Amino acid sequence: EDQVTQSPEALRLQEGESSSLNCSYTVSGLRGLFWYRQDPGKGPEFLFTLYSAGEEKEKERLKATLTKKESFLHITAPKPEDSATYLCAVQAKGYSTLTFGKGTMLLVSP
Amino acid sequence: DAGVIQSPRHEVTEMGQEVTLRCKPISGHNSLFWYRQTMMRGLELLIYFNNNVPIDDSGMPEDRFSAKMPNASFSTLKIQPSEPRDSAVYFCASSLSGGANTGELFFGEGSRLTVL
Repeated sequence: EDQVTQSPEALRLQEGESSSLNCSYTVSGLRGLFWYRQDPGKGPEFLFTLYSAGEEKEKERLKATLTKKESFLHITAPKPEDSATYLCAVQAKGYSTLTFGKGTMLLVSP
Repeated sequence: DAGVIQSPRHEVTEMGQEVTLRCKPISGHNSLFWYRQTMMRGLELLIYFNNNVPIDDSGMPEDRFSAKMPNASFSTLKIQPSEPRDSAVYFCASSLSGGANTGELFFGEGSRLTVL
């Protein structure tokens, strides 16, 4: 059974204080690892796909990295508008569905 | 495009009542997913349709839950009878080819269900 564990559950940062969110996974053959952002009262919104260990993707202040066992979402100099819940998900080879972690709730204070 | 449209946005009902949630996927998308989100369990896949055919319903909790997709532009998730433990936010998502190319699912804004 595919499993995704995210840590920490919640993170509070000051504006400009860089940090990283962790996503540990077990999957029987990884096809892809995905990061989503979810704002309160909204559905998740796609951010990145990573396919192989060593791959990196960047978008504004966010950078996602992947190893064989975990992924990190690095947030550089965050702003209050980066406050959201960040979800990690995995897709196994041969499957079309995603298994999500419970997310990390990020709050960035001005 | 208007995105994935779900209705109702909020539903409050009493235990034992029938609940029907509705979803209109993005035009041209051939895969549709129903997820349920709670604080305790996070986002859980309930059922996945491809080209209107149910492919994976292993996440449907029990016989009280049923889902249909009569055509490419409409899907329903029905709970009958509803129970307090069904209280959650139910999301519909759509994608091309089940997201197999990029894993990019497009989610609706969800239907928040409260069963008293």
